[in-house]
Amino acid sequence: EVQLVESGGGLIQPGGSLRLSCAASGFTFSGYGMTWVRQAPGKGLEWVSSISDSGAGAYYADSVKGRFTISRDNSKNTLFLQMNSLRAEDTAVYYCARVTLAHWGQGTLVTVSS
Amino acid sequence: DIVMTQTPLSSPVTLGQPASISCRSSQSLVNSDGNTYLSWLQQRPGQPPRLLIYKISKRFSGVPDRFSGSGAGTDFTLKISRVEAEDVGVYYCMQATQFPFSYTFGQGTKLEIK
Repeated sequence: EVQLVESGGGLIQPGGSLRLSCAASGFTFSGYGMTWVRQAPGKGLEWVSSISDSGAGAYYADSVKGRFTISRDNSKNTLFLQMNSLRAEDTAVYYCARVTLAHWGQGTLVTVSS
Repeated sequence: DIVMTQTPLSSPVTLGQPASISCRSSQSLVNSDGNTYLSWLQQRPGQPPRLLIYKISKRFSGVPDRFSGSGAGTDFTLKISRVEAEDVGVYYCMQATQFPFSYTFGQGTKLEIK
């Protein structure tokens, strides 16, 4: 069974940094691209970033380009999202998903507030 | 960038009756490989999104056959033949055609029981 478990969320001040992790199991992690999608409180879904299976390709939404970095460790079946220069508008539940969006984690809440 | 527009944004439905949600894209979603990467996702209250339909009309594993997708080019429809109580939630259309590993979501349609 495919399982994706996010961690690393929390309360952070504007301008701060946070690193999210997504632990994957139940499939060959190195064979799939991965994605981060976020959802602000009471709002819709917004694609954030994706990474190819090898990690050679990384893609970002304009809203996070230059501030967020996606990466992966295929030896540890883990996906990461390094978030720098955080803003109030980055407050959201962050979901990791396999690239086809057929499988999602439960999400981790990031709150950016002073 | 492609914009995805859903109608209606809210849909009160009687149990056992059909429901229909429309999604229009600002550009054709036919990819250079000939496929149309239009999906539908369901998000029940308090849950992560769940993939229902991919490539316009293909039901994902475990999705009841009362859900069906149709359309082509820029106009797409999700139909529920007979709404059940467990179908309450928000439905999103999503395109993955424009760029590799990136996605655009519709605003979401809230399905509720009358």
